[in-house]
Amino acid sequence: QVQLVQSGAEVKKPGSSVKVSCKASGGTFSRYPITWVRQAPGQGLEWMGGIIPVFGTTNYAQKFQGRVTITADESTSTAYIEVTSLTSEDTAVYYCGRGGGVVVAAAVDYWGEGTLVSVSS
Amino acid sequence: AIQLTQSPSSLSASVGDRVTVTCRASQGINSALAWYQQKPGKAPKLLISDASNLQSGVPSRFSGSGSVTEFTLTISSLQPEDFATYFCQQSNTFPLTFGGGTTVAMK
Repeated sequence: QVQLVQSGAEVKKPGSSVKVSCKASGGTFSRYPITWVRQAPGQGLEWMGGIIPVFGTTNYAQKFQGRVTITADESTSTAYIEVTSLTSEDTAVYYCGRGGGVVVAAAVDYWGEGTLVSVSS
Repeated sequence: AIQLTQSPSSLSASVGDRVTVTCRASQGINSALAWYQQKPGKAPKLLISDASNLQSGVPSRFSGSGSVTEFTLTISSLQPEDFATYFCQQSNTFPLTFGGGTTVAMK
């Protein structure tokens, strides 16, 4: 059974950066896409981007281009998302998910538990 | 970006009711649409992919239909565990986008 375990909650100052991890177990890590989605308090879901670890290919929502970096370490079956220049509008729960297909756009059939990132001065 | 408009944004229903949620795309997305269920404080759960493909383990009371720009999620007989928020997501064109969500509450 595939499991995705995310790193713990973070509290950050405006202007700083945060890096959230997502460790996979119980399945083949490299060939399946890892997607990152966030959800601000009381709001809907927002797709941020994804990566296919074996190729290192990434796709990002244009909104986050230049401010978000998604990486993957095949040796530890761990994906990461780093968000820089944080503002209060980045306060959200960040979810990683594993796509069920072989493209970044594949629907996510396994999810991490979410990581709350709070940005406050 | 492709906009997905869900309707209604919320509804009240009783156990046993038939519930229908609509997702309308701002442009054609073939059948590249998924439906997710989310409960408070939990990650989303994939119910349906490719507009009508029911995921393994998802009860058969859930069904999806539609193509191009108009899609529907139907719950044939609402169960207590189905009170939740439902989101559609298109995967035809980057950036992937979600609908605003439909909250199904108890009447």
